[in-house]
Amino acid sequence: QVQLQESGPRLVKPSQTLSLTCTVSGGSVNTGDCFWTWIRQHPGKGLEWIGSVYHSGDTNYNPSLNTRVTLSVDTSNNQVSLKLTSVTAADTAVYFCARDPLLVVPAARRGAFDIWGQGTMVTVSS
Amino acid sequence: DIQMTQSPSSLYASVGDRVTITCRASQNINKYLNWYQQKPGKAPKLLIYAASHLQSGVPSRFTGSGSGTDFTLTISSLQPEDFATYSCQQSYSNFRSFGQGTKVEIK
Repeated sequence: QVQLQESGPRLVKPSQTLSLTCTVSGGSVNTGDCFWTWIRQHPGKGLEWIGSVYHSGDTNYNPSLNTRVTLSVDTSNNQVSLKLTSVTAADTAVYFCARDPLLVVPAARRGAFDIWGQGTMVTVSS
Repeated sequence: DIQMTQSPSSLYASVGDRVTITCRASQNINKYLNWYQQKPGKAPKLLIYAASHLQSGVPSRFTGSGSGTDFTLTISSLQPEDFATYSCQQSYSNFRSFGQGTKVEIK
């Protein structure tokens, strides 16, 4: 059973880069079966899709974050990473990684985030 | 990008009540609509995919319906463990997006 675990600094200073890692266990990150996705949730707010990355390195980003976000896959460590540059207090949130299945049975389940990490709270403050 | 709008943003209900939450897409998304349940401090859990298909292990009191732009999530008889926040998400576009969530609270 695939499991996801986010890790990284809990506190980031304004204007710096937020860097998080999602470690995939019980499966390989180097698979064409899914997108690997980052989602965040501001305190007391709804879920916001940040973007997704395919094992090939192809990416899709939320247009509102497109200029500041980079997602990548590290096949040697079986990890997916998120980098968000020039952070402000508005980037304070819980960050989740999730699996977005593409090749799945039944096919109708495509695009439904079926596996999530527990999430990690990141605070942007000096 | 596709905007998802849920209503209401919150509701109060009692155990045994029938609860309905709606989700509207800014464009036709066919049946590419998924529902999640989230409890405080936890990751969301997939309840329903493709508008009406129950995820394995989810109780049958949860049903989803709709297509095109308008969708509903119904809980037929609210149980104590159902008090949570529910979110819809479209998977029509590779640029995924969520509704803002509906919090179901105890009356």
